[in-house]
Amino acid sequence: DTAVSQTPKYLVTQMGNDKSIKCEQNLGHDTMYWYKQDSKKFLKIMFSYNNKELIINETVPNRFSPKSPDKAHLNLHINSLELGDSAVYFCASSQLTFRDRVIANTGELFFGEGSRLTVL
Amino acid sequence: GENVEQHPSTLSVQEGDSAVIKCTYSDSASNYFPWYKQELGKGPQLIIDIRSNVGEKKDQRIAVTLNKTAKHFSLHITETQPEDSAVYFCAASYSGGYQKVTFGIGTKLQVIP
Repeated sequence: DTAVSQTPKYLVTQMGNDKSIKCEQNLGHDTMYWYKQDSKKFLKIMFSYNNKELIINETVPNRFSPKSPDKAHLNLHINSLELGDSAVYFCASSQLTFRDRVIANTGELFFGEGSRLTVL
Repeated sequence: GENVEQHPSTLSVQEGDSAVIKCTYSDSASNYFPWYKQELGKGPQLIIDIRSNVGEKKDQRIAVTLNKTAKHFSLHITETQPEDSAVYFCAASYSGGYQKVTFGIGTKLQVIP
């Protein structure tokens, strides 16, 4: 019973195409993320959503558009794919805890198994 | 923003030996330091973490130390086994706000049987 699942696992496509990656978590977490891992294994955050609201948006081209229909799902749509978009994209989730209405702990990140995108 | 430096980038040890991976961070506001292990074809998985009010934490064969003054923290794996072979990432974040975790570049650990 996978906690964070993302599809597809592999995606090979031509430059200029549009593609989507889907992510679902069954952990009951309220925060979800997209990370990009390049060929050198460097992990960099792209987006974060808390209860369907965008809270982190790093310097990512406008061609990347996340969408969170509910707090258990976070999808990533990429327009006009470029060679440099080739990477492994990881979805992750975590659970915020609050104390006196202030975030006290942002907790462990639970990652999916990744979606390897290859742009030809 | 936060900058996390990690070294070495690759590390080979004989089975049974110890492995040490070191990281430094730049933002003194960071107070949460997790370590993740990534096996081939998998997503990273938390193996141990430490908060800034603690100097050392141990869990069986793995331990982390934190020197907040010097802004560095380390992962120690004792009695290494072949299944410890993986990429290890250190990270830093400020847990009082929406979590923006900054990762180090990763260390590829190879344990030679």
